[in-house]
Amino acid sequence: EVQLVESGGGSMQPGGSLRLSCAASGFTFSSYWMHWVRQAPGRGLVWVARIDTAGGSKAYADSVKGRFTISRDNAKSTLYLQMNSLTAEDTAVYYCARTRDWELLSAWGQGTLVTVSS
Amino acid sequence: QTVVTQEPSLTVSPGGTVTLTCASSTGAVTSGDFPNWFQQKPGQAPRALIYSTTERHSWTPARFSGSLLGGKAALTLSGVQPEDEAEYYCLLFYDTTWVFGGGTKLTVL
Repeated sequence: EVQLVESGGGSMQPGGSLRLSCAASGFTFSSYWMHWVRQAPGRGLVWVARIDTAGGSKAYADSVKGRFTISRDNAKSTLYLQMNSLTAEDTAVYYCARTRDWELLSAWGQGTLVTVSS
Repeated sequence: QTVVTQEPSLTVSPGGTVTLTCASSTGAVTSGDFPNWFQQKPGQAPRALIYSTTERHSWTPARFSGSLLGGKAALTLSGVQPEDEAEYYCLLFYDTTWVFGGGTKLTVL
């Protein structure tokens, strides 16, 4: 069974840092591009970042570029999102999702909540 | 700043047909934008329905179909079921990044 389990969410003060993890199982993690998507409370989905299979190619939404870094460890089947300089606008549930070829975001985790507040 | 626009809300009767659309601020949506569609029910993670404009995932019911319509991406639900009541999001590809639409809340009434 394909499983994606996010962790690392919590409450942070503005300006702080947090690292999210996404543990994958039930499929060959190293064969899939991976993405982070977020959803603020009561709002729509926002694409955040993606990484290719080897970790050499990354892309980010303008809203997080320069502050967030996506990475992966294929030996541990784990995806990461390092989030720095957090603001209240980063408050959201963060989902990881897998992609192969053009089958975008074909499986999702249940999400982890990040709250940024003073 | 690219904006992807969807109808905020639509209502359909059980057994009816409804079409949701997805427009791009950069111009007509084409197959090269690789439109994707997702369904999200309250309290749940999103679920992929359609990729590359028209392709269903193995789990997507046949009543869901994707197309291009009048310069927009479209998702048509035929023979709507009560369980289809949900939020629907489109996703478009721009160079190296992806942008979601704002979502359409579909009510089955």
